[in-house]
Amino acid sequence: DAGITQSPRHKVTETGTPVTLRCHQTENHRYMYWYRQDPGHGLRLIHYSYGVKDTDKGEVSDGYSVSRSKTEDFLLTLESATSSQTSVYFCAISDSVVADTQYFGPGTRLTVL
Amino acid sequence: SQKIEQNSEALNIQEGKTATLTCNYTNYSPAYLQWYRQDPGRGPVFLLLIRENEKEKRKERLKVTFDTTLKQSLFHITASQPADSATYLCALYMDSNYQLIWGAGTKLIIKP
Repeated sequence: DAGITQSPRHKVTETGTPVTLRCHQTENHRYMYWYRQDPGHGLRLIHYSYGVKDTDKGEVSDGYSVSRSKTEDFLLTLESATSSQTSVYFCAISDSVVADTQYFGPGTRLTVL
Repeated sequence: SQKIEQNSEALNIQEGKTATLTCNYTNYSPAYLQWYRQDPGRGPVFLLLIRENEKEKRKERLKVTFDTTLKQSLFHITASQPADSATYLCALYMDSNYQLIWGAGTKLIIKP
């Protein structure tokens, strides 16, 4: 998985609780992305980062926030989890321009009860 | 509306035959298109990229075509093997917003 780890790999939480997912890379790639994947849907971009402290919204950013204080770490936070945020979350990285080949982490399966 | 369509039904192919997967899109003008493979419980893995001015790209047993007039890409696996069984995703890169737009994927099953 190209030097990308995600933690936790699985999480079950209750509606209304905050959740933070972590993505860590050892490739020193500039761009990092958070996607969610749901049955019947393509990967949907939540947020992405183009450098330390530089982030932007994706297609489905409502209810999510991100932070990137170091090149290697990109955090995704659900401030108050809802059942509609039950999904598999993937982190990805790329080396140059935003839509360069992307390398994905193993994913985090999040269940919100 | 803008759409990317991949066959939602699984594609069953006999080992040794050529598997062909389609990616159709409407109302996009992608600069290029990528194909990824995804195994159960894992993240997608990049396979091939084809640019709008390229008609065909090959890599070992894989071939991708890109027809911007038909708004379609075809992904071929020749001499298919059971190990090729996976879900295959296409993704379009849009110059307009610098993002990848993803199809939902087609599940390919190669039977021995």
